[in-house]
Amino acid sequence: AQSVTQLDSQVPVFEEAPVELRCNYSSSVSVYLFWYVQYPNQGLQLLLKYLSGSTLVESINGFEAEFNKSQTSFHLRKPSVHISDTAEYFCAVSGSSGGSYIPTFGRGTSLIVHP
Amino acid sequence: SQTIHQWPATLVQPVGSPLSLECTVEGTSNPNLYWYRQAAGRGLQLLFYSVGIGQISSEVPQNLSASRPQDRQFILSSKKLLLSDSGFYLCAWSVGQAMYEQYFGPGTRLTVT
Repeated sequence: AQSVTQLDSQVPVFEEAPVELRCNYSSSVSVYLFWYVQYPNQGLQLLLKYLSGSTLVESINGFEAEFNKSQTSFHLRKPSVHISDTAEYFCAVSGSSGGSYIPTFGRGTSLIVHP
Repeated sequence: SQTIHQWPATLVQPVGSPLSLECTVEGTSNPNLYWYRQAAGRGLQLLFYSVGIGQISSEVPQNLSASRPQDRQFILSSKKLLLSDSGFYLCAWSVGQAMYEQYFGPGTRLTVT
């Protein structure tokens, strides 16, 4: 069985400051890792993903995440946040378990950017 | 391009009433389809998923059911709603056996009174 832990339920930060949202996973098989963003009263949108290859993946709006196999982590970072980044962020892991790749989601981290 | 629709966007229903939420996907064939529930302050709970017409897997025993009458249509139903059924219901799709990333609909906010 796989699980995802998002260590912070809420992260307040000032605009233009750096931010890191933490995600740790446990899985006994090879994994695929994802970060999704959810704005209020909307569905989730894929932010970035790690399937294979380079362990550092980037999104089009300045976020990046690094797959660290030894620490079983996939932390999300942004060097300078904007007010518009205020949202809920979900980490998810997908891996072959009995032939199923159903992803497991973390409980989410609420990023609150203050002016 | 692919799009996913959910309706209604919001719904207020009394306890004991029936429920029908609909999800349709456009622009792709034979998608994997999912229903999730998101309660306030909590993560996503997978309710059902389907890899093909008439193939439904239930993840959580409850008074909800799902059906897939057409390739790109996924319906969530209940005969009698409970207060605990309140939440934000999200439909999602993915493609391929490995499923990979999912694409989510806009969601339905259900309030059971």
